[in-house]
Amino acid sequence: GQNIDQPTEMTATEGAIVQINCTYQTSGFNGLFWYQQHAGEAPTFLSYNVLDGLEEKGRFSSFLSRSKGYSYLLLKELQMKDSASYLCAVPDSNYQLIWGAGTKLIIKP
Amino acid sequence: IAGITQAPTSQILAAGRRMTLRCTQDMRHNAMYWYRQDLGLGLRLIHYSNTAGTTGKGEVPDGYSVSRANTDDFPLTLASAVPSQTSVYFCASSDSKFGEVGELFFGEGSRLTVL
Repeated sequence: GQNIDQPTEMTATEGAIVQINCTYQTSGFNGLFWYQQHAGEAPTFLSYNVLDGLEEKGRFSSFLSRSKGYSYLLLKELQMKDSASYLCAVPDSNYQLIWGAGTKLIIKP
Repeated sequence: IAGITQAPTSQILAAGRRMTLRCTQDMRHNAMYWYRQDLGLGLRLIHYSNTAGTTGKGEVPDGYSVSRANTDDFPLTLASAVPSQTSVYFCASSDSKFGEVGELFFGEGSRLTVL
C-alpha cells in the first residue's frame, strides 16, 4: 500500500530557514507534489519532483531522493505569510494522488 | 478568470437529507476530482473523472455519487447525509490525461455540517 508521513507541526522564526520532510512508501513512483494551504483556503501547487535532486523556485526549494523514499521542502527567508500547512502527495498506481496529513508551519516574529 | 467554482460555500444539513455540492470549471480541464478534508487527516479522494462521461471511485466513495455529463460540471451528491459526512469538500481539476499526473487546481471548498 501507500503511506506518507510528515511532521504534524513546526515552528520557525521570521527570516530563518525551515525544512519540512516527507517520507513515502509507494508501489510505483510517478513523482511527488508539494502544495501550500493557508487556513480556511484551498491548496495551491508549489512543486513537482520526478527526478532525484534539488529544484529551486525562488525562496522555495524541493528535494527528492527516490531510493530513500524521501523529500523535503526548504523555505528560505521566512515571511509571516508563509504560515500555512504544507501538503506532500504522491500518485498511486491509478495515478490518483495520495496525500499526507500536512505540516502546519507557524512563523514567529 | 473564475477557475473552479463550488457552491454552496457552507451548508448545515439535517441527517437523512439529500444534498448536492456543485462544481464548475472554465479551464476546459479533462480531469476533475472531489476530495474531503478532515482535521488531522490528509485530503481523501471521494470520486474522480478522467474525462466527460466517465467516473471512478476514490478512497472513500461510500455514501457519495457523482456524474460528469459535460467537461465543465462535476456535481457530488450525498443521497442520505450522515453526521460522519461533516467535512470540508474540495473540488479540483487537472489538465492531465489518464496515465499522467498533473497540477491540481482547487475550488474554495464547501463546508458541510450534518446534524
